[in-house]
Amino acid sequence: AQKITQTQPGMFVQEKEAVTLDCTYDTSDPSYGLFWYKQPSSGEMIFLIYQGSYDQQNATEGRYSLNFQKARKSANLVISASQLGDSAMYFCAMRGSGGSNYKLTFGKGTLLTVNP
Amino acid sequence: GAVVSQHPSWVICKSGTSVKIECRSLDFQATTMFWYRQFPKQSLMLMATSNEGSKATYEQGVEKDKFLINHASLTLSTLTVTSAHPEDSSFYICSAKDRQGPIRPDTQYFGPGTRLTVL
Repeated sequence: AQKITQTQPGMFVQEKEAVTLDCTYDTSDPSYGLFWYKQPSSGEMIFLIYQGSYDQQNATEGRYSLNFQKARKSANLVISASQLGDSAMYFCAMRGSGGSNYKLTFGKGTLLTVNP
Repeated sequence: GAVVSQHPSWVICKSGTSVKIECRSLDFQATTMFWYRQFPKQSLMLMATSNEGSKATYEQGVEKDKFLINHASLTLSTLTVTSAHPEDSSFYICSAKDRQGPIRPDTQYFGPGTRLTVL
């Protein structure tokens, strides 16, 4: 079974500062993928970044980077230079391998508030 | 690219009626689509996996006779909530896996969601 844990129900950050959102995972699959999605108050899920379990380098997408520490089973999201529009719910998710057919398991989410 | 639409965006219905929600991949083919349900201030819970041309695979605890899923083409999946009751009120979100995703073939792209309220 796969499990995603996000221990921060809410986070606050000052505009233009960086913030790290925590995510730890548990799986017995040798191959897996980790995702971060952003969900604004409007409800849509916006894909941010992906990290494969065999990727040698940490993923980066613009202001988003994923701090992947495989031995610790953590995949923290780092948002640099926070903007007011970054205020949203952030979900960490995992995709397993084999017969899981790309099903995603989501964490409970972290509500990020960016203060001006 | 990778746009997924849902219709309707919100619906209010009376208890006992059925509601159909459509999920379309607009600019890519999706052999696999997923249906999630999200209650207020909670995470997304997978309800079922929908494969084009075959029966959907439901997660444990999800009634397949109540939540009918049809995936008739590579760009359309529908979820029908039959005999809806107030406890079915929720935010329903679909996602589609890009069949030929160039870089991230297993990334799911989500629709904007449908808010269902059953009176």
